[in-house]
Amino acid sequence: SQTIHQWPATLVQPVGSPLSLECTVEGTSNPNLYWYRQAAGRGLQLLFYSVGIGQISSEVPQNLSASRPQDRQFILSSKKLLLSDSGFYLCAWSVPGHEHTQETQYFGPGTRLLVL
Amino acid sequence: GDSVTQMEGPVTLSEEAFLTINCTYTATGYPSLFWYVQYPGEGLQLLLKATKADDKGSNKGFEATYRKETTSFHLEKGSVQVSDSAVYFCALRPGGGNKLTFGTGTQLKVEL
Repeated sequence: SQTIHQWPATLVQPVGSPLSLECTVEGTSNPNLYWYRQAAGRGLQLLFYSVGIGQISSEVPQNLSASRPQDRQFILSSKKLLLSDSGFYLCAWSVPGHEHTQETQYFGPGTRLLVL
Repeated sequence: GDSVTQMEGPVTLSEEAFLTINCTYTATGYPSLFWYVQYPGEGLQLLLKATKADDKGSNKGFEATYRKETTSFHLEKGSVQVSDSAVYFCALRPGGGNKLTFGTGTQLKVEL
């Protein structure tokens, strides 16, 4: 069965510090991968998605970047964090190539980031 | 563009009450529709989905019917439990696309 991991679970960082959040998926190959952010009291916003190694699409201009160095690894980064980067970051995956199963995204447990 | 509108929360119910959380959408073509649930401190879990008009998704006593004529996908449960307390998100995926558009979420609180 497939599983998705995110770490760390919680992170407190000062403004201006760098960020690296990691997401890995097990049990599937060549998944589509996604990064979402959930700000306090708000819905989910898609930040990035990737259909393959080195292929990243950005949905919104921001202080963050994403990379996919390996097939099942997706990393969210920042060189200098802003207060507004605080939130709950969720990674998700879906299966490409099969229209029915492609429709479902499965989410990781999330990383709660607080920038002070 | 695509959008999803959910009823404002929080919704507070007594145990065994009937639940309805409204969701309407705007999309071109024939999207797939989803309900996700987020329990306190956790990530999102898929609750149910429907891929075409008149489909009914169901899981754990929850159900929702894809109504194209009213562009709605309301979530219902006949008898809620305290353990159903969570935030519920309605979402759509456009036909042929791979990106989800979420509503803002509706918090449900069930009390004894």
